[in-house]
Amino acid sequence: SQKIEQNSEALNIQEGKTATLTCNYTNYSPAYLQWYRQDPGRGPVFLLLIRENEKEKRKERLKVTFDTTLKQSLFHITASQPADSATYLCALDASSNTGKLIFGQGTTLQVKP
Amino acid sequence: GAVVSQHPSWVICKSGTSVKIECRSLDFQATTMFWYRQFPKQSLMLMATSNEGSKATYEQGVEKDKFLINHASLTLSTLTVTSAHPEDSSFYICSASGVLAREETQYFGPGTRLLVL
Repeated sequence: SQKIEQNSEALNIQEGKTATLTCNYTNYSPAYLQWYRQDPGRGPVFLLLIRENEKEKRKERLKVTFDTTLKQSLFHITASQPADSATYLCALDASSNTGKLIFGQGTTLQVKP
Repeated sequence: GAVVSQHPSWVICKSGTSVKIECRSLDFQATTMFWYRQFPKQSLMLMATSNEGSKATYEQGVEKDKFLINHASLTLSTLTVTSAHPEDSSFYICSASGVLAREETQYFGPGTRLLVL
């Protein structure tokens, strides 16, 4: 069956450290994968998109990798800050040309000062 | 840019009544809008996809007669929860994609929290 999985346990790290979140999927062949941030009671906010032919994408303190062989994406936040505390969702395209996204359940990150 | 609004932000209603939620793209034309439902500590579950001027496409298990979707213009889609029951209480979020440089990205509204008593 098709699955997209993120670590459901909360990730607690100290301010200044690098946070690494994992997204694994099975029985999908996504053309791209996206990462979103969601704060409590709010809608998700787009962060990064990485395509299947890209190994790595960076944006300021964020870095995303995409390994289509391992069927895995890693999301890194360097020099983490308490303001980075939120739930991070990965999403992949469900099928070509529909624009539909399938979301993982999200990983909650808590950055302690 | 790419701002999506939702109205209302929260609503409380009695069982059996209908509730309409509006989703607007404020600064771009949304060729496609998506409606999601999210229960506490769970991920977003896609309910339906709507394209301007055509009927919505519903995901398996979502009752189209209960969740009426109208996408009348390139900036407005509405979701009507008909004859709402307590089990319909949830966080409803819309998103929009459209004529932007990054068309695969969905821009989300702030969500509407529905509580059915």
